[in-house]
Amino acid sequence: TQLLEQSPQFLSIQEGENLTVYCNSSSVFSSLQWYRQEPGEGPVLLVTVVTGGEVKKLKRLTFQFGDARKDSSLHITAAQPGDTGLYLCAGGGSSNTGKLIFGQGTTLQVKP
Amino acid sequence: DVKVTQSSRYLVKRTGEKVFLECVQDMDHENMFWYRQDPGLGLRLIYFSYDVKMKEKGDIPEGYSVSREKKERFSLILESASTNQTSMYLCASTLGSPSYEQYFGPGTRLTVT
Repeated sequence: TQLLEQSPQFLSIQEGENLTVYCNSSSVFSSLQWYRQEPGEGPVLLVTVVTGGEVKKLKRLTFQFGDARKDSSLHITAAQPGDTGLYLCAGGGSSNTGKLIFGQGTTLQVKP
Repeated sequence: DVKVTQSSRYLVKRTGEKVFLECVQDMDHENMFWYRQDPGLGLRLIYFSYDVKMKEKGDIPEGYSVSREKKERFSLILESASTNQTSMYLCASTLGSPSYEQYFGPGTRLTVT
């Protein structure tokens, strides 16, 4: 069974701090997505990484896919209260049905 | 932009009622999914469909059924709602390979009393 372990589960920081969220697996994925979900809403896709070692930047967010395509990280620089939410990583490619393996999520709270 | 809509944002039903949750996507995606999301348990896959009239059980199909008569529409049915089915229900769709990106609807918060 493929699993994605996400850490930490909860993070509460002050505005302006930096943080990193990790997503690890023993399985290889064809692609890895990061989503952000606000309370009462559905997850929204932030980024997809597909190449081992790939780094993508989205304003203050930096996403990295591990060289072996088994892990990923999300780094946020100078966090803002608007970054508050649930961050989910998800790995794809285990089947041709489009199923994803989701991590348990990281709840981030950024205090002003 | 991909758009996935769900028929209701909030729903309150009584135990034993039959409940229909509908999901519509406008991107001609082959694959559609129903998840439920509960605190501490993450996203759990109930059912998915990879083509019209084709469906497969996910990780927690008990107490649920699905219907996909048209490509754009995927319905989740609770045959006889129970209180342990109170949850946030999320629908998603994807084109599949190569990126497997899933696009989610806004969710339906179902309460069964």
